[in-house]
Amino acid sequence: DGGITQSPKYLFRKEGQNVTLSCEQNLNHDAMYWYRQDPGQGLRLIYYSQIVNDFQKGDIAEGYSVSREKKESFPLTVTSAQKNPTAFYLCASSIRAGAEAFFGQGTRLTVV
Amino acid sequence: GIQVEQSPPDLILQEGANSTLRCNFSDSVNNLQWFHQNPWGQLINLFYIPSGTKQNGRLSATTVATERYSLLYISSSQTTDSGVYFCAVQFSGGYNKLIFGAGTRLAVHP
Repeated sequence: DGGITQSPKYLFRKEGQNVTLSCEQNLNHDAMYWYRQDPGQGLRLIYYSQIVNDFQKGDIAEGYSVSREKKESFPLTVTSAQKNPTAFYLCASSIRAGAEAFFGQGTRLTVV
Repeated sequence: GIQVEQSPPDLILQEGANSTLRCNFSDSVNNLQWFHQNPWGQLINLFYIPSGTKQNGRLSATTVATERYSLLYISSSQTTDSGVYFCAVQFSGGYNKLIFGAGTRLAVHP
């Protein structure tokens, strides 16, 4: 099936540990995005990538890191520097910047 | 600054009623999308509509780019329409990020 796959669906980590969230797409899309959603809130942009080996910070990049070594993959690392990491994380992709974006099913991260 | 504002923030309807959701944006856009977030958090694409009018079943959307707003119409609402509706825009002028409004939370009661 074509689409965007985020894994795992639920993730639990202890405070102080880094954790990496996976996002894979087989749509041959150039652009990929990571968003964070807190309960009852909208989506805020963490990082985005328009093309392989290139990415830019979004509005809330502090405490997060990304890589874009392959077109189909855009993993997000939540580092121990992120003060409030518990949230719902959504990955999206579009064929190019400005085109219609499609989302994965999200990863719910809980840090205890 | 760059803004995306949605109204109303909350909406309660009786099944069968019609509704209009609004999205105002502060600058010209390359992309405007409407999404429905279901209770499991999945974002469902409703419309990609940087300008013009589109219809899909009971839903339709209109974007008037020159006046910087978009409307989402829901007719004959059903309980399955409940959830949060988001407007997201990508502004022109070199900004390559998709920015979301705060959403409209819709509850449809039987």
